[in-house]
Amino acid sequence: DTEVTQTPKHLVMGMTNKKSLKCEQHMGHRAMYWYKQKAKKPPELMFVYSYEKLSINESVPSRFSPECPNSSLLNLHLHALQPEDSALYLCASSHEISSYNEQFFGPGTRLTVL
Amino acid sequence: TQLLEQSPQFLSIQEGENLTVYCNSSSVFSSLQWYRQEPGEGPVLLVTVVTGGEVKKLKRLTFQFGDARKDSSLHITAAQPGDTGLYLCAGSNTGKLIFGQGTTLQVKP
Repeated sequence: DTEVTQTPKHLVMGMTNKKSLKCEQHMGHRAMYWYKQKAKKPPELMFVYSYEKLSINESVPSRFSPECPNSSLLNLHLHALQPEDSALYLCASSHEISSYNEQFFGPGTRLTVL
Repeated sequence: TQLLEQSPQFLSIQEGENLTVYCNSSSVFSSLQWYRQEPGEGPVLLVTVVTGGEVKKLKRLTFQFGDARKDSSLHITAAQPGDTGLYLCAGSNTGKLIFGQGTTLQVKP
């Protein structure tokens, strides 16, 4: 299994809603990532988990809350988002955090905030 | 701050033409990855290069890593409509990927 899966595929939410994005991988990878991507732009790193511990937070607003329940799962909890948070949210994983480890991306969740 | 400059940003060509995408930096990278992304989907890893001067071929795609590990190129021979997409280069030094701005390629039949 060389896939990273993400659910849901699409999500529409209001500014007062609370929702969660889910990511799963079964490649035995110990590093997992959340990225945000706007149209025709490269992905922007948000968070990195290494061995289930938060390793990097790229100064992301607190309305985004990551969680890593176990080595295969990564969640992103969303609360009180703004319309400008609408984007494609990508999850990725790699064997470990290393300069040589390839990152594999999931298909993304298309988020629209009304 | 490490930056990767990718060029061209947009490319529209006819089926059968050849093209080259460039990725340049003033910084040295331990490895460099190329991804292809279709609209609404996640980036798909095409190749990773780690050795200066390395050349890798994937069917009609040829990837090269500069001798000094500061630059890379992607050459596509006889482009096909199925090659259409966003091509991203990404360098790594600390485990964080530094992305280029991407090249949007459109191949017309």
